[in-house]
Amino acid sequence: DTGVSQDPRHKITKRGQNVTFRCDPISEHNRLYWYRQTLGQGPEFLTYFQNEAQLEKSRLLSDRFSAERPKGSFSTLEIQRTEQGDSAMYLCASSHRGARVYNEQFFGPGTRLTVL
Amino acid sequence: QQQVKQSPQSLIVQKGGISIINCAYENTAFDYFPWYQQFPGKGPALLIAIRPDVSEKKEGRFTISFNKSAKQFSLHIMDSQPGDSATYFCAAANTGNQFYFGTGTSLTVIP
Repeated sequence: DTGVSQDPRHKITKRGQNVTFRCDPISEHNRLYWYRQTLGQGPEFLTYFQNEAQLEKSRLLSDRFSAERPKGSFSTLEIQRTEQGDSAMYLCASSHRGARVYNEQFFGPGTRLTVL
Repeated sequence: QQQVKQSPQSLIVQKGGISIINCAYENTAFDYFPWYQQFPGKGPALLIAIRPDVSEKKEGRFTISFNKSAKQFSLHIMDSQPGDSATYFCAAANTGNQFYFGTGTSLTVIP
């Protein structure tokens, strides 16, 4: 399967703990996005990378959240001092600049985070 | 505030019927309007998308109708099938990379 992959698929943690998620985009895609999706809502944009550069961050991304994309390949999203309100599905998507279809974003299966 | 408003929240359609989901937006800078389909436990998958320079786009049983002056667009699913049962999200984006998603429509197609 050459789609976007995310690891882990599920994470249960206690409030106050740190968690880290990983996203592996489609190999030739130079753009990578993180979204958060809560129950009954559409995905909400968190941040976006072009290659290794983080170009855009949503105001939703508090200081407890940090994302990296070293070497412009996989990306990690870390949440420090988790809160119950962080419980959500975290989605990663990738796209290729210059794709024939305008900015088509391919989504991974998501990581479901539950903070107890 | 919600940049893209989607309705209805849920929809039940008989097999073979037409499913219609509507979205509205305010930001006239948006120039790309995709629809995504999401099954439980899966990430959203692109279904069909339209640019504002056309009023309609059809791919198989799926059609987007776009009304630029009203700032509205809709998804029509013809001959709805039980396998179409999923959550559908409309979205809008401008030349940047931030997608704004609607709140989703849960579609159930009854055999």
